[in-house]
Amino acid sequence: DTGVSQDPRHKITKRGQNVTFRCDPISEHNRLYWYRQTLGQGPEFLTYFQNEAQLEKSRLLSDRFSAERPKGSFSTLEIQRTEQGDSAMYLCASSLVGIAGVSDTQYFGPGTRLTVL
Amino acid sequence: GQNIDQPTEMTATEGAIVQINCTYQTSGFNGLFWYQQHAGEAPTFLSYNVLDGLEEKGRFSSFLSRSKGYSYLLLKELQMKDSASYLCAPYENYGGSQGNLIFGKGTKLSVKP
Repeated sequence: DTGVSQDPRHKITKRGQNVTFRCDPISEHNRLYWYRQTLGQGPEFLTYFQNEAQLEKSRLLSDRFSAERPKGSFSTLEIQRTEQGDSAMYLCASSLVGIAGVSDTQYFGPGTRLTVL
Repeated sequence: GQNIDQPTEMTATEGAIVQINCTYQTSGFNGLFWYQQHAGEAPTFLSYNVLDGLEEKGRFSSFLSRSKGYSYLLLKELQMKDSASYLCAPYENYGGSQGNLIFGKGTKLSVKP
């Protein structure tokens, strides 16, 4: 399977614990996005990378959240001191953007469902 | 600012045609995407419009009017498996190559026998 993969698919944690999620994009894609989605809502943008550079962060991304893409391939999203409000589906997407930077089709992974007790 | 409006829920009958409307207000608009999302699954790409007009792809078609800030997704010959949420997502360009998708809340379509 050469699509976007995410690990783990489900995570249950206690409030105050740290969690880390991993995303492996489609191999030739240079952009990688993180979104958060709660029930009945569309995905909310969190941050994105072009290669290893983090180009944009949403105001939703508090200082408890950090994302990395150290070698421009896979990415990790860490949430420190989790809160119950962090319970959501965390989606990763990837795309290929050329020099002209035209709108890119994003392909989503299956998501990581986080439950904070 | 960003504002995306689409109906929360719609119901249609198997074999029928349904049109899901979306209005949007974004800065730096550079095209509009539609995604399908089945319950508990990730969104999957359906269509992309950057120019005004209708794009047809099998049973699904998507229309865009940039001047009106309006798009619709048309689903023909509805099947039970089309029951899903349909997400309208304008692409907002910040300048240069930077930008991202802004998703609406989605329209939950229920197809009845």
